[in-house]
Amino acid sequence: AQTVTQSQPEMSVQEAETVTLSCTYDTSESDYYLFWYKQPPSRQMILVIRQEAYKQQNATENRFSVNFQKAAKSFSLKISDSQLGDAAMYFCAKRMDSSYKLIFGSGTRLLVRP
Amino acid sequence: DTGVSQDPRHKITKRGQNVTFRCDPISEHNRLYWYRQTLGQGPEFLTYFQNEAQLEKSRLLSDRFSAERPKGSFSTLEIQRTEQGDSAMYLCASSSTVSSVDTQYFGPGTRLTVL
Repeated sequence: AQTVTQSQPEMSVQEAETVTLSCTYDTSESDYYLFWYKQPPSRQMILVIRQEAYKQQNATENRFSVNFQKAAKSFSLKISDSQLGDAAMYFCAKRMDSSYKLIFGSGTRLLVRP
Repeated sequence: DTGVSQDPRHKITKRGQNVTFRCDPISEHNRLYWYRQTLGQGPEFLTYFQNEAQLEKSRLLSDRFSAERPKGSFSTLEIQRTEQGDSAMYLCASSSTVSSVDTQYFGPGTRLTVL
C-alpha cells in the first residue's frame, strides 16, 4: 500500500524563525510527484510547493523550500522567515506516475507565535 | 481564472436522506477529482474523471455514492441514504493534462453534517 507519513501532529515556530516539517512516504515506483499543500482554518487547500522525483534539485518557492531525499523516501518542507499567515495545517501528498490520485499524510498543524 | 467552485458550502441533512453536491472546475481543466476529508485527517481519494469518463474509483466509494460528469465540465456527487459516518468535508479538485506535473487545484469544499 502506498502511504504518506507525517510524524509531527503539531509544530510551533516563532515569527521570523525557520521551521521544518517532516514527511516520509512509501513507494515502489521510480517516477512520482510530491506536493505540500497548506490548509488555513476554514479555508481551502492551496499548493505550496511541488517536486518531481526525477529532478535531483530541491524545489524552492520564495520562503518555502524542500529537502528531497529520494533514497530515504523523505520530503521535508522548510519555511524560512515564518509569518503569522503561515499558520495552517500542512499536508504532504504523493502522486504516482501510474495514477492521478493524491495520497495525503495526516497533516501537521503549524502554529506561529508572534 | 476563477478557481474551483463547489456548491453548497454547507449541507445539513437527516440520516436516510439523499444529498447532491456540485463542483465546477477551473475552465479548460479536463481532470476532476473528488476527495473526502474527516476532521483532523488528510483528504482521501474517492474518484476522478478525465473529461466525461470516470477512470478510477476508490473502494471508499460505496454503492450509495455516485459521481457524474456528463459533459466533461461540472461534476456532481450524490450520496443516497446518508449515514452519520458520511459526515465530512467533500473536496473537489481539478487539473489539466497540458501540464506534465498535473497539479491539482482544490475548491473550498462542501461540509456535510448528517444528523
